[in-house]
Order: sequence, then structure tokens, then C-alpha cells
Amino acid sequence: GAGVSQSPSNKVTEKGKDVELRCDPISGHTALYWYRQSLGQGLEFLIYFQGNSAPDKSGLPSDRFSAERTGGSVSTLTIQRTQQEDSAVYLCASSPGGRLRNTGELFFGEGSRLTVL
Amino acid sequence: DAKTTQPNSMESNEEEPVHLPCNHSTISGTDYIHWYRQLPSQGPEYVIHGLTSNVNNRMASLAIAEDRKSSTLILHRATLRDAAVYYCTFRGSTLGRLYFGRGTQLTVWP
Repeated sequence: GAGVSQSPSNKVTEKGKDVELRCDPISGHTALYWYRQSLGQGLEFLIYFQGNSAPDKSGLPSDRFSAERTGGSVSTLTIQRTQQEDSAVYLCASSPGGRLRNTGELFFGEGSRLTVL
Repeated sequence: DAKTTQPNSMESNEEEPVHLPCNHSTISGTDYIHWYRQLPSQGPEYVIHGLTSNVNNRMASLAIAEDRKSSTLILHRATLRDAAVYYCTFRGSTLGRLYFGRGTQLTVWP
């Protein structure tokens, strides 16, 4: 498809387990974002990748969270030793980036719903 | 963080215009104002963006105050499909990320 693809769409895990969430951005988009949305809340910024630049990790809530982007395309968000408060919808978005990084719209995926029991 | 302030909720009747306000007093001169909306169980979708001048597209209009510390998203004729959470946001001046608050929940009555 032409849109941002996220997997899995739903993930139920037990407290203490590690989880990986995958994002496949729109082809050619150099900017990639991860956001988290807890029930009834707004979008919380987690991390931002722009081309080959060092990612902006300032939104990651703890060192249990990490993300990588391989080959400037697919990104994986990893949560280690999950806690119940990690339960949320994790949204990925991509954007053209570059000279359009301030004006280009973000295209969001449908999200990965994480439930930690 | 780049902060925006929006009303928690607004209501409108179908076919009527809707004006969704947003305050962004910390915006800098090079930041673009963006609006997104989120339908239930979906990711947010882009609505419109602007810098200084008012903007129109097929979805909505964006009116930006002269001092750029506030803006208003205008839906000229609300439809039931416009019921969503509307987020006002702007780009940080040195980074491309967007900050989102809790947005405004718009309810449209038939």
C-alpha cells in the first residue's frame, strides 16, 4: 500500500516482557516519527528520525524505550520490561522531510495498540 | 515544549460553520502552524497548515492572527463526518517534530 504501515495492530503482553513495534513509512519519506497516545489523551512525542541525522530521542519516557531506523526506511520501537503504564496506542508517522520538514504534512499509520497485563 | 491551548470540546449542528480556536503564544517567527484531526480508532490526518497568511483548501480554512499567537480552523459547513478531535500544533523552529496537545473534540449534531 501507499500509506504508513504499522504492525502488529494489536499486541497483548505480560508485564516484564519485551515488545517490538514496527513501522514501514511511505517510500521516499526521510522523516519518521513515533508518538504515543494513552486512552483519552493527546499525542505524546517519543522520537524523531530525519535522514542520516542523529535522532531526536528527547521524548522517550525512560531507558526501557528505544528505537532504530534501518537503511533510512523501516523503524522498530522496542519497549523492554513492559509496565502497565506502557499500555497505549503507538503511532508512527512519516513526512517528506528535507526542505519540507517544516511544512510537509505528516502521514500517520493506524497505530499499534499495546496492552500490558 | 511548544505548547498550544485549545478548548476541550465544541459542538455544532450539521451544515453550520465551525470555528475552532487555538492559542500558540510561544510560536516563533519561522514556525508553521499545522492542524490535524483524528477520527475514532484512526491515526491523525492532516487538515491544513500556514505561516502568516490565511490559507484555504478543500477541507477547511485557516485564519492566522496578525501576531501569530493564535489561529482559527474554519469548517465552512460541518458534516457528521467532521466529528473528530482537532489538533493544533506547530513545528519547533530547529527541529521538524510536531507537538500535539489534547485537541478539541468536535461533536456535530444532525
